[in-house]
This record gives sequence, C-alpha cells and structure tokens, in this order.
Amino acid sequence: EVQLVESGGGLVQPGGSLRLSCAASGFTFSSYEMNWVRQAPGKGLEWVSYISSSGSTIYYADSVKGRFTISRDNAKNSLYLQMNSLRAEDTAVYYCARDPGAGRFDYWGQGTLVTVSS
Amino acid sequence: DIQMTQSPSSLSASVGDRVTITCQASQDISNYLNWYQQKPGKAPKLLIYDASNLETGVPSRFSGSGSGTDFTFTISSLQPEDIATYYCQQYDNLPQYTFGQGTKLEIK
Repeated sequence: EVQLVESGGGLVQPGGSLRLSCAASGFTFSSYEMNWVRQAPGKGLEWVSYISSSGSTIYYADSVKGRFTISRDNAKNSLYLQMNSLRAEDTAVYYCARDPGAGRFDYWGQGTLVTVSS
Repeated sequence: DIQMTQSPSSLSASVGDRVTITCQASQDISNYLNWYQQKPGKAPKLLIYDASNLETGVPSRFSGSGSGTDFTFTISSLQPEDIATYYCQQYDNLPQYTFGQGTKLEIK
C-alpha cells in the first residue's frame, strides 16, 4: 500500500524557518517524481515545488522561489521541504504528492499544518 | 503563466442529478488536464487524468472531456458521497503546475 506521511509542521514566527519531511513507503520511491502542494485555510490548492526522481531537476512556484528548498534522500525514502524567511501567507496545510511522471498527483499524504504567526 | 478558470465556484444539486463543472485554460494546454476530489479535512484524490482517463478504482459515474482550452467534468448521477470540492489542474506549462479555484458541490 502506498503511504506518504508528512511531519515537521508547527507554529513559527514570521522570518523563521521550518523543515518538512515526507516519509514514503509501499512503492519504489527512487522511481517517482515528487511534489509539495499547499492549501491555506479555507482556500484552494497551490502547487509549491517539484523534484525529479533523481533530484537533478527542481522547480518552484514563484511565490516561494528563493525561500524554499526541496530535496530528497532516496536511500531513506524521504522527501523534504526546507522553508526559510517564512511569511504569514505561507500558513497552510502542506501535502507531499507522488507524480508518476505525467504531471498528475496520484497519491497524497495527509498533510502537515504550518502556521506563521507572531 | 497559464490561468485556470473553473465554474461554477459552488453548486447545489439533488441525488441522482447530472452535474457538470467546467474548467477553462488561458491558453491551449492540449489534454494536459487532471481533476481531483477533496472531501473536508482530507487530502485531494485524483479522479481523471489527461482530460478523460478515469483513475483506477474511481467509479464510472465520473468522467471528463475536452482539449485545448475548454474542459468538462461530469458526474452522471450524483451520490451523497460525492459531496466535496473539485479541482482541475493543468500540467502543460512546466515548471508551473496550476489548479483551478475549485467547485464546492453540495446536496440540495
């Protein structure tokens, strides 16, 4: 069974940093592209970042470029999102999502809530 | 950037009704369009990929059509468990994926 489990969310002050993790199981993690997608409270879905299966290709949404860093450790079946210079508008549930290489998100984690507030 | 305009933003229908949601792209995206269902407090679920392909395990009452800039998502006979918010998503314009703003579906 495919499972994606996010962790690392919490309350952080504006300007602070947080590192999210996504633990994958039930599939060959190293064969899949991965993404982070977020959802602000009561709002719609916003794609945040993409990483290729090898980690060699990375994309970011304009809203987080220069502040967030996506990475992966295929030996540990884990995906990460390092978030720096956090702003109130980064407050959201962050989901990791598997991408079978065709621009679609076929499995999602349960999400982890990040709250940026003083 | 490609903008995705979804309509309506909310919809109320009765059990057994045929329900249609549309998604319009700001430029030609071929068939690079997916549809998701999100129930309250849950992660989104992929229903339709490449505009018209039903994801494995998804009931056949769900369908999608369209290409270019205009796309349609249909529930042929609305069931109580279909109450959710539905999103379209384009993947033509890498490296930016874009979601529509969502359609909240309620039972009348």
